[in-house]
Amino acid sequence: EAQVTQNPRYLITVTGKKLTVTCSQNMNHEYMSWYRQDPGLGLRQIYYSMNVEVTDKGDVPEGYKVSRKEKRNFPLILESPSPNQTSLYFCASSPALGPYNEQFFGPGTRLTVL
Amino acid sequence: GEDVEQSLFLSVREGDSSVINCTYTDSSSTYLYWYKQEPGAGLQLLTYIFSNMDMKQDQRLTVLLNKKDKHLSLRIADTQTGDSAIYFCASDYGQNFVFGPGTRLSVLP
Repeated sequence: EAQVTQNPRYLITVTGKKLTVTCSQNMNHEYMSWYRQDPGLGLRQIYYSMNVEVTDKGDVPEGYKVSRKEKRNFPLILESPSPNQTSLYFCASSPALGPYNEQFFGPGTRLTVL
Repeated sequence: GEDVEQSLFLSVREGDSSVINCTYTDSSSTYLYWYKQEPGAGLQLLTYIFSNMDMKQDQRLTVLLNKKDKHLSLRIADTQTGDSAIYFCASDYGQNFVFGPGTRLSVLP
């Protein structure tokens, strides 16, 4: 089944404790992206990647890192989480950037930073 | 950069039509999209419209695009309780996607 998977789905952690949220897609998509969703703000793009070893900042990259060593994986790293990073995070992938570009979303990771 | 705005809430009665509106600021978008998010789930693409079109119909969904006013709308005919969800409009802006804040549609029996 074609899908985007994220792990963990739920995470409660404490300020300053490094964490990684994994994202994997099995559709051979080139473009992958991380978003955070906050009430009243919709989805805001954190980082995106157009292909392996190519990553770029979205609208709200501060406090996050990503890597794209393989096409299928795009982990989101919080080196020193803070309470303002409490949010719902979505990973998404799409075949490529181009005229038509449907994004496929993962199920979301709800992160609470105490 | 691109800014996408939507009203946050809409309530309609079952069987009525729903119209969800969206405005955007950058006219260089190639495509404009409507995504649906059901409770506890990720986003699913509902429909999209190419920026040189002004209307697209897909079963109960009608998308209208007014490029001059930078206004996009989604009309859902014969709204059902299963249509209750958050609806996001989005534009592809350069290499990013920009989403609106989402409109929560409540369908009353």
